[in-house]
Amino acid sequence: GIQVEQSPPDLILQEGANSTLRCNFSDSVNNLQWFHQNPWGQLINLFYIPSGTKQNGRLSATTVATERYSLLYISSSQTTDSGVYFCAVNFNKFYFGSGTKLNVKP
Amino acid sequence: EAGVTQFPSHSVIEKGQTVTLRCDPISGHDNLYWYRRVMGKEIKFLLHFVKESKQDESGMPNNRFLAERTGGTYSTLKVQPAELEDSGVYFCASSPIDTYGYTFGSGTRLTVV
Repeated sequence: GIQVEQSPPDLILQEGANSTLRCNFSDSVNNLQWFHQNPWGQLINLFYIPSGTKQNGRLSATTVATERYSLLYISSSQTTDSGVYFCAVNFNKFYFGSGTKLNVKP
Repeated sequence: EAGVTQFPSHSVIEKGQTVTLRCDPISGHDNLYWYRRVMGKEIKFLLHFVKESKQDESGMPNNRFLAERTGGTYSTLKVQPAELEDSGVYFCASSPIDTYGYTFGSGTRLTVV
């Protein structure tokens, strides 16, 4: 199957700091999405981004499909950003990375 | 439009009991998927329905798990009998037939004690 690797596995930030999360994938895919799993376990879709760059408030994402990676940028982090961020690529079904666990401290 | 709805949101059962999880996809979405995250590991695919037919059930862990999708609408995932290692969060997702953008439900947190 398709391999999806996320880095870093864990990240601790002070509130207000910026961060970049990375997702590498092994094959060409139809779709890539970034999700945030909040402390209650809910999986929130952040971006549907098979290629290019998108921005939504303090979050933005870039996917370079030809080089098989995607980046998620979080600027001016807040404590509510804490949780696990998953990258998932779709090739008939979703393949998830193991996630980046983010802890934003006040 | 309403999103993907899953219930219950949380279920605590004893080992050996039966639990049924339900997913209501977005109306008109023919694709319906079940995924789960157990023991803090990555989220893994369980199975895929297209309408009422099972398209891919390669991720189902064993025969204690049974998924159905009545009339191509809502889906149920039954675990019988539940084991401790089944604890985790079970997610459902749906999409229209010709797109790759999926909407996930909020998940059902299953705890087997």
